[in-house]
Amino acid sequence: ELKVEQNPLFLSMQEGKNYTIYCNYSTTSDRLYWYRQDPGKSLESLFVLLSNGAVKQEGRLMASLDTKARLSTLHITAAVHDLSATYFCAVGNTGKLIFGQGTTLQVKP
Amino acid sequence: EADIYQTPRYLVIGTGKKITLECSQTMGHDKMYWYQQDPGMELHLIHYSYGVNSTEKGDLSSESTVSRIRTEHFPLTLESARPSHTSQYLCASARGYSYEQYFGPGTRLTVT
Repeated sequence: ELKVEQNPLFLSMQEGKNYTIYCNYSTTSDRLYWYRQDPGKSLESLFVLLSNGAVKQEGRLMASLDTKARLSTLHITAAVHDLSATYFCAVGNTGKLIFGQGTTLQVKP
Repeated sequence: EADIYQTPRYLVIGTGKKITLECSQTMGHDKMYWYQQDPGMELHLIHYSYGVNSTEKGDLSSESTVSRIRTEHFPLTLESARPSHTSQYLCASARGYSYEQYFGPGTRLTVT
């Protein structure tokens, strides 16, 4: 059974700081997705990573995928308050997405 | 921006009532999904469909049922709502060859 684990589950950080969210998964897959969810809202697609070594960047967020290590990272550079949200990674498997538990990011001024 | 719609957005209903949550997409996606999510918590897959007349139960046992009579429409029904059904319900869809899911805005259900 595929399991997806995120670390940390909660992150409180100061504006301007850098940090990384980790997403580990238990079986082979080369399809990994990152989503953002604002409180009370739905999920919004952030990144699609479809091969080993894939790297995608959008603004202050950068995602990467290492399929051999079964690890994806979401790196936050110089955090700003607008990035406060819950971030989910998800791995493609047998037609479905298996989601991690989510990482709630709180950026303080 | 994905074209996937859910109605109602908010629903407060009494115990024992029958309810149907609507989900429609205009992208012609074959695959559709229903998730249940409590605030700030994990997503739980409760139903999915890979095409017309195809429905499967997800990883979380649910008392709800679904149907897929048309490609664009994937309604979820609760025959008798209970307070334990209070949650947010998210609908999503994906192209046949892709895992990338597009999410609707969600329905926040409260059963009193």
